[in-house]
Amino acid sequence: QVQLVESGGAVVQPGRSLSLSCAASGFTSSSYSGHWVRQAPGKGLEWVAVISFSAGSGSEHYADSVKGRFTISTDISRNTLYLQMNSLRDEDTAVYYCASRRQCSGDTCYGLEYWGQGTLVTVSS
Amino acid sequence: DIQMTQSPPTLSASVGDRVTITCRASQSISSWLAWYQQKPGKAPKVLIYKASTLESGVPSRFSGSGSGTEFTLTISSLQPDDFATYYCQQYKSYPWTFGQGTKVEIK
Repeated sequence: QVQLVESGGAVVQPGRSLSLSCAASGFTSSSYSGHWVRQAPGKGLEWVAVISFSAGSGSEHYADSVKGRFTISTDISRNTLYLQMNSLRDEDTAVYYCASRRQCSGDTCYGLEYWGQGTLVTVSS
Repeated sequence: DIQMTQSPPTLSASVGDRVTITCRASQSISSWLAWYQQKPGKAPKVLIYKASTLESGVPSRFSGSGSGTEFTLTISSLQPDDFATYYCQQYKSYPWTFGQGTKVEIK
């Protein structure tokens, strides 16, 4: 059974840092990419970042809103995805979901197949 | 960045109705589009990928069509479990982007 379990959400002051984790189980993460997607209270979904589990460093991409402040990483030996968030702002307040997508096969690329339950990050003084 | 625009923002419908949601991309994304369903307090669930391919386990009353810049999600006969918010998402290029969502409400 596939599971993604996020942890690390907290209340944090503006300008501070926070690290989120996402533990994956039940599938071979090396065949997937790991993503973070967030949702501010009462708002829509915003894609945040991606990394390939197998390729690791160098395969990252970020939303413009977090580039230079957030860092996505992975520990394939632990099947875990991370999001290091620095210089947090009020507008980073959101539920953060980790999600995964399997590698493209032939001419087919898939949607975000597996999702965690989300972890709430509140940035407030 | 590619902008995704969904319409309508809210849709009121009855059980059994045929429902159509539209998603437009600011530039061609070929068929690299997914549709998600989200219920309050829950994570999104993928319904369709590559514009028209039904994810495994998703009921056949859901269908997707389109390519380039115009896409639709159709629910052929709305069921009580379908009242939710629906999002389109492009994965043609990074940064990936979502539409703003369409909330399907009970009429």
